[in-house]
Amino acid sequence: QVQLVESGGGLVKPGGSLRLSCAASGFTFRDYDMTWIRQAPGEGLEWVSYIRSSSTYTIYADSVKGRFTISRDNAKRSLYLQMNSLRVEDTAVYYCATDGPISALDNWGQGTLVTVSS
Amino acid sequence: DIQMTQSPSSLSASVGDSVTITCRASQSIRSYLNWYQQKPGKAPKLLIYDTSTLQSGVPSRFSGSGSGTDFTLTISSLRPEDFATYYCQQSYSSPRTFGQGTKVEIK
Repeated sequence: QVQLVESGGGLVKPGGSLRLSCAASGFTFRDYDMTWIRQAPGEGLEWVSYIRSSSTYTIYADSVKGRFTISRDNAKRSLYLQMNSLRVEDTAVYYCATDGPISALDNWGQGTLVTVSS
Repeated sequence: DIQMTQSPSSLSASVGDSVTITCRASQSIRSYLNWYQQKPGKAPKLLIYDTSTLQSGVPSRFSGSGSGTDFTLTISSLRPEDFATYYCQQSYSSPRTFGQGTKVEIK
């Protein structure tokens, strides 16, 4: 079955960096577009970034543009989110999800918590 | 960016009730509207895509309708496991924005 497992979250000071990973299994990863979504504590869902299956196209929310970089390694069946210049308001659970041909987020990981605090 | 507005933000209902959640887009998104269910401490789960198509395994008491800018999610005959927060999301253009969520609570 489809499995997505995020890792790399933790506590970081403002201005710091983190790299999140999402390990995929149970499906043909190279065929799927992927998306990162985040959820601040007690808040709703925020779409963060998207990458095409071939890595030829990426897009970011304005709130993270210029600070976050999405990438993937299809050979390793892994998705990444490099987060630089972190701010307190980036504190959230970060989810990776498959962005399937139905134009919906049809499989989600369990999330990884990023806390930005001094 | 397309803004998605859900109403109500929360509602209380009893087991067996029928409830309707509304989602309005700031511009036409044709039928590119998805619904997700999220339970506390869990990842969201896709319920409905393309306005009205049930994701595999989703019970038929869930239904979606609408087009253009106005959409609804209806849960007929609420069951205990349906108490959760529901989000709409447009997939017409990037960023693929979400509504703010509707929490369905037990009365």
